[in-house]
Amino acid sequence: AQKVTQAQTEISVVEKEDVTLDCVYETRDTTYYLFWYKQPPSGELVFLIRRNSFDEQNEISGRYSWNFQKSTSSFNFTITASQVVDSAVYFCALNTGFQKLVFGTGTRLLVSP
Amino acid sequence: SAVISQKPSRDICQRGTSLTIQCQVDSQVTMMFWYRQQPGQSLTLIATANQGSEATYESGFVIDKFPISRPNLTFSTLTVSNMSPEDSSIYLCSVYGGGMAGELFFGEGSRLTVL
Repeated sequence: AQKVTQAQTEISVVEKEDVTLDCVYETRDTTYYLFWYKQPPSGELVFLIRRNSFDEQNEISGRYSWNFQKSTSSFNFTITASQVVDSAVYFCALNTGFQKLVFGTGTRLLVSP
Repeated sequence: SAVISQKPSRDICQRGTSLTIQCQVDSQVTMMFWYRQQPGQSLTLIATANQGSEATYESGFVIDKFPISRPNLTFSTLTVSNMSPEDSSIYLCSVYGGGMAGELFFGEGSRLTVL
């Protein structure tokens, strides 16, 4: 069975603080894919990143960075120098090939000025 | 990438009625997925719709309640039948953007409120 756990329900930070959103996954498959999506208050889901199980390199995109560690089954997401526009619900998700995505319960990030 | 259009974007419905949500994709895709997001909750897959065959439903979802049509490779509909307030949710259509386990693109969602 596949499972994604986002233990942090809600995080509040002040603008310019760094924040890390945790994601722990479970799967028996050796080939799998991990995703992060952002859902702003408007409701649409915005794709942020996809990572396959064979690529453990960390990735940085502007203020966003992702830390993938197979040893701990984690795929954490860090926002550096957070901004008010980063306020949203962030979902971590997992799948194996062209199958359904299993989503975590989401972490609501509130960035105040 | 894929551009997905959903209609309606939102609606307020009366208990006991049914509503059909349309999903149009700007490219041909084999599989289309319908997800539900209840208020404050995560996304749950309702069913996978393949063109030319019956939809495959996830545990807890049945065809009588959520009939799906898939008449061609760019279009699908999801009907929410005999609605109750518990059906108040955002319903999202999604497709893969190609490549091995590529990005799953989502429509903007249809926000239904059942009174």
